Amino acid sequence: GAVVSQHPSWVICKSGTSVKIECRSLDFQATTMFWYRQFPKQSLMLMATSNEGSKATYEQGVEKDKFLINHASLTLSTLTVTSAHPEDSSFYICSARDLNTAYRHTEAFFGQGTRLTVV
Amino acid sequence: AQKVTQAQTEISVVEKEDVTLDCVYETRDTTYYLFWYKQPPSGELVFLIRRNSFDEQNEISGRYSWNFQKSTSSFNFTITASQVVDSAVYFCALSGGSGGSYIPTFGRGTSLIVHP
Repeated sequence: GAVVSQHPSWVICKSGTSVKIECRSLDFQATTMFWYRQFPKQSLMLMATSNEGSKATYEQGVEKDKFLINHASLTLSTLTVTSAHPEDSSFYICSARDLNTAYRHTEAFFGQGTRLTVV
Repeated sequence: AQKVTQAQTEISVVEKEDVTLDCVYETRDTTYYLFWYKQPPSGELVFLIRRNSFDEQNEISGRYSWNFQKSTSSFNFTITASQVVDSAVYFCALSGGSGGSYIPTFGRGTSLIVHP
């Protein structure tokens, strides 16, 4: 199956600094990538939808200036958490859609996730 | 709007027991897709199955089976002869075509603990 690689797997940063998380589709082109946030023992909450070459669409309540998303190519999307605070500590997961499958409008492949801890 | 309900927060079983994870969904779309994902302690999401709204055939894959019933808007997942390695959080998800978006909505997840 298609592979989505997310990096880093975990990161610890100081409060006030910025952290960048990368999401790459390794063997397929992804016009659309999704970014999710997951709090402990909770479900995945969609943060934003990222389309290659255009601005991301953020879900209600998600601060676009705090969570910067860039989808510069068909294989890479990045999420930058700016001026991170302890409450931003969470598990962030990306997913990507493969243009070239019969289920291109439905199948989403997930990265391994990034555990962010802000101290 | 679409919604997925996984009423069971946590299930604890002993190895070799059969266990069923429930999933009930709501959608106004006539075309939609249902998924099950497994999230082991390491955190990554593992795709298990996808079902479209026009295919109500039940599916079996090894020890896993799925029962899709449109009449009750349910898509339940059964693990037969559970094993310790099945311990994980399982998510049911729905992806509908409103506005052509097909953005998945996830349930809260069911934590399955299989004891040796």
